[in-house]
This record gives sequence, structure tokens and C-alpha cells, in this order.
Amino acid sequence: NFMLTQPHSVSQSPGKTVTISCTGSGGTIADNYVQWYQQRPGSAPTTVIYDDNQRPSGVPDRFSGSIDSSSNSASLTISGLKTEDEADYYCQSYDSGDHWVFGGGTKLTVL
Amino acid sequence: EVQVLESGGELVQPGGSLRLSCVGSGFTFSSYGMNWVRQAPGKGLEWVSVISGGGGGTYYADSVKGRFTISRDNSKNIVYLQMNSLRVEDTAVYYCAKDLEEAPYGMDVWGRGTTVTVSS
Repeated sequence: NFMLTQPHSVSQSPGKTVTISCTGSGGTIADNYVQWYQQRPGSAPTTVIYDDNQRPSGVPDRFSGSIDSSSNSASLTISGLKTEDEADYYCQSYDSGDHWVFGGGTKLTVL
Repeated sequence: EVQVLESGGELVQPGGSLRLSCVGSGFTFSSYGMNWVRQAPGKGLEWVSVISGGGGGTYYADSVKGRFTISRDNSKNIVYLQMNSLRVEDTAVYYCAKDLEEAPYGMDVWGRGTTVTVSS
């Protein structure tokens, strides 16, 4: 089965840039699109990246996504960090066995 | 504005049944897949089930297969999740999420969630 692995937590200072990784195993991450979701404390998730690197309307261009086939991983990069970016972030993709998979989530602390 | 709104969550005993509903608005409902995703207390997101826009394709996580059934009524813009043989480990906030396309592959717009508690 295809699995997505994320770091449990990352931290960075306001104004800086942070990258959250999402590593695939049991399959090739480039075979299917990757989405990224933001979940602030006490709130429902929202979509910040879809189709590997596309931003929904309303998501600032400080958020970007990419795929690295050599490491079988996806990345979410947030530049110009703001305190409001502090949240849990989840990657998601599709497993060829007709299952949809999430990474375990990464807690971003902006301090 | 594109919105989805869940309802139906409540306290239920182990072995019991519950039906969740999710109504969509602001988009052509039948043109998009619809997902259910859950989050147990203090845990991450877990995909539960998805149904294609026309209703012909339904898919389930192994943890709920055979116990949960997803369906939709496109005339009413509603998707349902019928949950039978509920277990304590099904306790979670259940989110409904509109998919990116008719043939589902990723979540787009999320609801606020409805809480299901399975306990005696």
C-alpha cells in the first residue's frame, strides 16, 4: 500500500521560509497529484495546494508546492511566514488500490 | 459561494447505527465527487469514503468497508454516510469534502464537521 510520511513538527521564525516534506513509500509519488491541507487549531481543514503546485483562489502566493521524483517526495514551501500560518499541514494523494491516503500531518510552529 | 454542511453526528452505543448527511451549495453538485474524512480526537486526518459525481463509483477505507455505505441524492444535493456496527474507534469528527473533479482524487472545499461519539 502507498503511504505518505511527514515530519511530526517544524518550526521557523516570522518572515522566514519553511519547507514541509511528504515522502512516498510503496509507490511513485509522481504518478498521482498531491494536495496539501491546512488545519488551524479548532478549525476544519482548508486546501492550500492542489494538483502538486496549484493554489486555490484566495491562497496567498507565499504558499507553493513541488514534486521531487528523485526523492519520491512532495514539498510545501511557505515563505514570508506569518503567525497565522501556525497550523497542522497534511499532504494527500491517491493509492492505485482505490484508496485515498493522507500523511500523518506536520505541526508548524511560527515563533 | 461553494459550501458543504454536515449534520447527523451524535452519541451512539457500540454496535449501533447512524446516518450522516452533507448538503452542498454553490456548485453543480452532480459534477463532483464527494468525500468523507474523519479525525479522531488528537489524531490526524483519515480518509473514510468517496463517491463519484454520478454515484456509480464508491470507495471505502479498509477500516470501514462492509460497515459504512456512502450514497448521494443529486436531486437534493445531499451525500450520505450510513454507518452500521459502530465501534468505539469510530469516534471522530467527520468532515464532508467536495472533490476536485467528478472522478474523485482530492479534496477541495471542506465542511465544518459533525461529531460522532461511540460509547456505552
